[in-house]
Amino acid sequence: GENVEQHPSTLSVQEGDSAVIKCTYSDSASNYFPWYKQELGKRPQLIIDIRSNVGEKKDQRIAVTLNKTAKHFSLHITETQPEDSAVYFCAATLNTNAGKSTFGDGTTLTVKP
Amino acid sequence: DTGVSQDPRHKITKRGQNVTFRCDPISEHNRLYWYRQTLGQGPEFLTYFQNEAQLEKSRLLSDRFSAERPKGSFSTLEIQRTEQGDSAMYLCASSPLLDGQPQHFGDGTRLSIL
Repeated sequence: GENVEQHPSTLSVQEGDSAVIKCTYSDSASNYFPWYKQELGKRPQLIIDIRSNVGEKKDQRIAVTLNKTAKHFSLHITETQPEDSAVYFCAATLNTNAGKSTFGDGTTLTVKP
Repeated sequence: DTGVSQDPRHKITKRGQNVTFRCDPISEHNRLYWYRQTLGQGPEFLTYFQNEAQLEKSRLLSDRFSAERPKGSFSTLEIQRTEQGDSAMYLCASSPLLDGQPQHFGDGTRLSIL
């Protein structure tokens, strides 16, 4: 089955700096990669996603890049703000497998004011 | 609120008791997923429904766990003879049938086994 590894497990940055979180996956057939933000005690919420036919996607301060050959994808947050502090999860999804997602173990991002 | 809703939010029970959780997905979503999340981990897949059909179950799901989605709308997850190791957050998610669509999560049910 699919295996997703996420790094780092914790990340601390100063407000205004950039943050990068990286994930690798094992199944080359995975073709959809969402990123979720989960605040303490709350539900995971989708922040950005990318499909395998695209190499990069950007939405304001958030961007995701995908390297299918190397089987890794990354989340980039620029101009970080304290409200970006949360746990971020990546996931790899094989759409021919009922859209079941395999999640990484999460990155706890702390943005210091 | 038309998002995914789960009930109850918290459940505390003694070891050996049975518990049942409910999930109401977004109404037009055909796909429904159950995940389990423990502290410091990402959600782990438990089972998946497409409409009323349960199409996949994880090997993590012992025979003490059963899930239903009788009319293709809400779903229930039952755990029989609960054990300490069942303590976790149980998350439900739903998505449209179209591939490449994100899953929308509920707030989860936090289960604590005494």
